[in-house]
Order: sequence, then structure tokens, then C-alpha cells
Amino acid sequence: DVVMTQTPVSLPVSLGGQASISCRSSQSLVHSNGNTYLHWYLQKPGQSPQLLIYRVSNRFSGVPDRFSGSGSGTDFTLKISRVEPEDLGDYYCLQSTHFPYTFGAGTKLELK
Amino acid sequence: EVQLVESGGGLVQPGASLKLSCVASGFTFSDYWMSWVRQTPGKTMEWIGDIKYDGSYTNYAPSLKNRFTISRDNAKSTLYLQMSNVRSEDTATYYCTRNTMRGVMDAWGQGASVTVSS
Repeated sequence: DVVMTQTPVSLPVSLGGQASISCRSSQSLVHSNGNTYLHWYLQKPGQSPQLLIYRVSNRFSGVPDRFSGSGSGTDFTLKISRVEPEDLGDYYCLQSTHFPYTFGAGTKLELK
Repeated sequence: EVQLVESGGGLVQPGASLKLSCVASGFTFSDYWMSWVRQTPGKTMEWIGDIKYDGSYTNYAPSLKNRFTISRDNAKSTLYLQMSNVRSEDTATYYCTRNTMRGVMDAWGQGASVTVSS
């Protein structure tokens, strides 16, 4: 299985500040069709996960442009600028290039 | 509005079977692949598997393939997860999800809690 290593585990931030989360895969996430299936989810306290970014850098419908995704191959980053209270929660990366699909262990974004 | 509502969770004894359901609304269910994902009490997320829009094809996590079965009834807009010979490590919240392109889960249910204990 592809191992997704997500760092940091916990990320204290100030409101209005910037946050950066890293996700590294144990093998390349470039599919044979040329696409890279790396996605980011946010799970707010007490809620189900919600899609933020799909295929590395595409913001899902309704996701503010404060969220941006980047990366290639095995190394990916989610950046959140101007952090707002509703951004707090657990962030997960997911790869769906290789079966079985695998998640990172999560990063808890919390107030400093 | 897209809605996914899971049911069928609860307390179950080790070795027993359990079937979860997920009723979909707000979209044409038969147009979408669907998945099951679980989250352990320690917050670890695990993909269980998915099923093609017409039910003709499924993929599973190899570690669960022998005990879990995903099916669907498009006439009822319902997704199912049949769990057999459950173990304590199956204790988790089970989510059904709608998939757009390969593995992109763009809608999630509220989750069904399953506790395996004697």
C-alpha cells in the first residue's frame, strides 16, 4: 500500500496567519493516464470530512481561495492563508492513484 | 441538496454480521460511483472500497475484501455495506461517500457508528 506521511501532526496558528501542511507519498502518485490523484479534506469538529482540494491544486466548489494546493510526484503541500476560525480542524490528504486508496494520518490545525 | 444518510450501526458482538445502509438524495444516484470509508476512534481514516454506478464492479481494500461486501440498489438510491465476522478493530464510524472522478469523494454522509464488543 502507498504510505502517506503527513506533517506536522499538530499545527498551532494565529487567526489571520498562514499554515502549511505537507503530505509525502511512498511512491509517485502520477497515474498512467497522466493525472495525479492527491486530494485534501478538512474535518471540522463534530462533522464529516469535506473536500477542499482535488487532484493536487483544484479547489472544490465553494472553497475559498485562501486554500491552495501544490506539489507533484511524491511531495504535496496544502497552504491556508489568512486563517479564519472556521478553518480549524483536522486536515487529511488522500491518494487515489493506487489501490487501495490511502489517507494521511491527519494534521490538527488549532489556535496558538 | 446532496444528502447521504447512513443507518444500521450499533453495538455488535465479535464474529457477528452487520449491514449498513446509505440512502442518497439530491442527485441521480445511478450516475455515480460510491465508496465506504471508516474512521477509527483514534481518527485514522481507512478506505474500504467502492462500487461502480451500475453495481457491476467493485474495488476493495485487500485487508477487508474477505469480510466486507459493497452493493447498491439504484431503484432505492441506496448503498450497502455488508460486514461479516466483525472484530474489535472494526469499531469505527462508517461513512458513505459520493465519488466524482477517480476516488474524489465530494460528498459524505454523517456517519454510522459501529462498536464491536462482547
